[in-house]
Amino acid sequence: AQTVTQSQPEMSVQEAETVTLSCTYDTSESDYYLFWYKQPPSRQMILVIRQEAYKQQNATENRFSVNFQKAAKSFSLKISDSQLGDAAMYFCAYRSAFTDKIIFGKGTRLHILP
Amino acid sequence: GAGVSQTPSNKVTEKGKYVELRCDPISGHTALYWYRQSLGQGPEFLIYFQGTGAADDSGLPNDRFFAVRPEGSVSTLKIQRTERGDSAVYLCASSASGGRGETQYFGPGTRLLVL
Repeated sequence: AQTVTQSQPEMSVQEAETVTLSCTYDTSESDYYLFWYKQPPSRQMILVIRQEAYKQQNATENRFSVNFQKAAKSFSLKISDSQLGDAAMYFCAYRSAFTDKIIFGKGTRLHILP
Repeated sequence: GAGVSQTPSNKVTEKGKYVELRCDPISGHTALYWYRQSLGQGPEFLIYFQGTGAADDSGLPNDRFFAVRPEGSVSTLKIQRTERGDSAVYLCASSASGGRGETQYFGPGTRLLVL
């Protein structure tokens, strides 16, 4: 069975600085998708960034980028120029290309210090 | 257009009671998903609908949980004989057609508290 592990329950970063959230996953499959979701206090899960496993190039979305290491099964999220609005729970997630469900990690709570 | 909506936002019930949670997906989305998020955890998959049919219900924890989507749009998650362990946030998501790697758009969830 696939698993997603986020080893950092909480992190803090100074506003305007850069922070990296860690994620590892376990799978025997070669075709899958990885995601980072943000969940603010409103509870709504918002997709931050996604990565297709078959793509070697790391995905980027404005201030958000990933470091995808397929062999190491690692998928970290880097947030540059952190803003107060980035404060939230961040979930790393996995979806097999062959199933419908998303498997989430336990999350990392990110605090932004003004 | 409007996103995924869920009602009620919060629900408090007593142990043993029956509850219904409603999800209204993005218009035109044929795929609909239910997840459960317990305190301090990430969401866990419950069930996936493609149109009116449940294509994957492998995440439903037991036969007290049931979901329907009779007209292929709105879905209702039904929980019978609620237990305190059912307390959680129930999230609904939809995607355009359920295709490989498609983005799932989530609603704000229903927080269920069983006393």
